[in-house]
Amino acid sequence: AQSVTQLGSHVSVSEGALVLLRCNYSSSVPPYLFWYVQYPNQGLQLLLKYTSAATLVKGINGFEAEFKKSETSFHLTKPSAHMSDAAEYFCAVSDPGSARQLTFGSGTQLTVLP
Amino acid sequence: DAGVTQSPTHLIKTRGQQVTLRCSPKSGHDTVSWYQQALGQGPQFIFQYYEEEERQRGNFPDRFSGHQFPNYSSELNVNALLLGDSALYLCASSSKPGLEAFFGQGTRLTVV
Repeated sequence: AQSVTQLGSHVSVSEGALVLLRCNYSSSVPPYLFWYVQYPNQGLQLLLKYTSAATLVKGINGFEAEFKKSETSFHLTKPSAHMSDAAEYFCAVSDPGSARQLTFGSGTQLTVLP
Repeated sequence: DAGVTQSPTHLIKTRGQQVTLRCSPKSGHDTVSWYQQALGQGPQFIFQYYEEEERQRGNFPDRFSGHQFPNYSSELNVNALLLGDSALYLCASSSKPGLEAFFGQGTRLTVV
């Protein structure tokens, strides 16, 4: 069974500071990994995905994530936070052999302070 | 491109009632998945439909059922509603099972 752990349910950063949101996964096979963002009262928007190609993945809005198999991690980073980045972020995993469902973490609420 | 559209956006039901939620996938997509997102939690997979059949199911009781139509749109039905069914229900579509999923805005269901 797959699982995702997001360390830190709430993260606060100052505008212009580095954003680091942590995600660790558990999977019996090399997984596909995703980061989604959710703004209040909205659905999920895909930020980026890892599907066994390059381990450093660049996404939208300046976000990127690095797949580290040895650490079973897929942390999300952004060099400089903007106020518009304030939202909830979800890490998700799927099994590529049967990639029919996403297993999500519990989410990290990002607050950006002026 | 309208993306994934869900209706209604909000719904209030009474315990014991039945509800039907609807989803139209993104143009060109033939696979629809449904997720339940309780307040403060991540989405949980309910089931996925492809070629008008349920292909995979998460850990949800039989009160949750679905259907996919020939035009790829889908319905989620929940019978005998419980207070704990109150959640945001998200529909996601993809061009085939396993590929990148695009999510709709969701239907907020409140059971009172």
